[in-house]
Amino acid sequence: SQQGEEDPQALSIQEGENATMNCSYKTSINNLQWYRQNSGRGLVHLILIRSNEREKHSGRLRVTLDTSKKSSSLLITASRAADTASYFCAHNQGGKLIFGQGTELSVKP
Amino acid sequence: DTAVSQTPKYLVTQMGNDKSIKCEQNLGHDTMYWYKQDSKKFLKIMFSYNNKELIINETVPNRFSPKSPDKAHLNLHINSLELGDSAVYFCASSQAPGDLYGYTFGSGTRLTVV
Repeated sequence: SQQGEEDPQALSIQEGENATMNCSYKTSINNLQWYRQNSGRGLVHLILIRSNEREKHSGRLRVTLDTSKKSSSLLITASRAADTASYFCAHNQGGKLIFGQGTELSVKP
Repeated sequence: DTAVSQTPKYLVTQMGNDKSIKCEQNLGHDTMYWYKQDSKKFLKIMFSYNNKELIINETVPNRFSPKSPDKAHLNLHINSLELGDSAVYFCASSQAPGDLYGYTFGSGTRLTVV
């Protein structure tokens, strides 16, 4: 399977703490994307990082990409209860956006 | 002002029935997709259309047939529904095929086959 893998599968933290999620993939990529899915909702695009970028920021989100290790991480700083959701990484494989299995983040108030 | 809208949101039907899910996007995107999300939240692409042309057709049963009357609409018709078709189906769109741009997803259609 060309599906990416994410870890941890589930993460539970207290409000205010940082959350780090990791994603690994198996093929060469041009870009890697991160999405959030709230319970019962569709996926929301968070950030896209290109293969020639090592780090990208968007508000409280920080994404890193290490193409030599075929891995990426998503850091959410100063988490809030509203950040509770599933987070997916995705990369292009043969013209198709392939999603990882997701990390289920729970932020307790 | 929903960007990608799917109808219906919920669909409960008996085995053997035929059903359709409709999707519309008002973003002016050229490319639309159908994804299936199973109970373990695994997302798998089913179909993709670019400007009304089918460009991705994954290994899905022939009972699933997409139709794109124009680039703003992508519908999914499912014949002879089976229990294993129960899942959440997401429509999505992007400015162009591939991964140059993020995808915008609809809120999903939860299909339950009984």
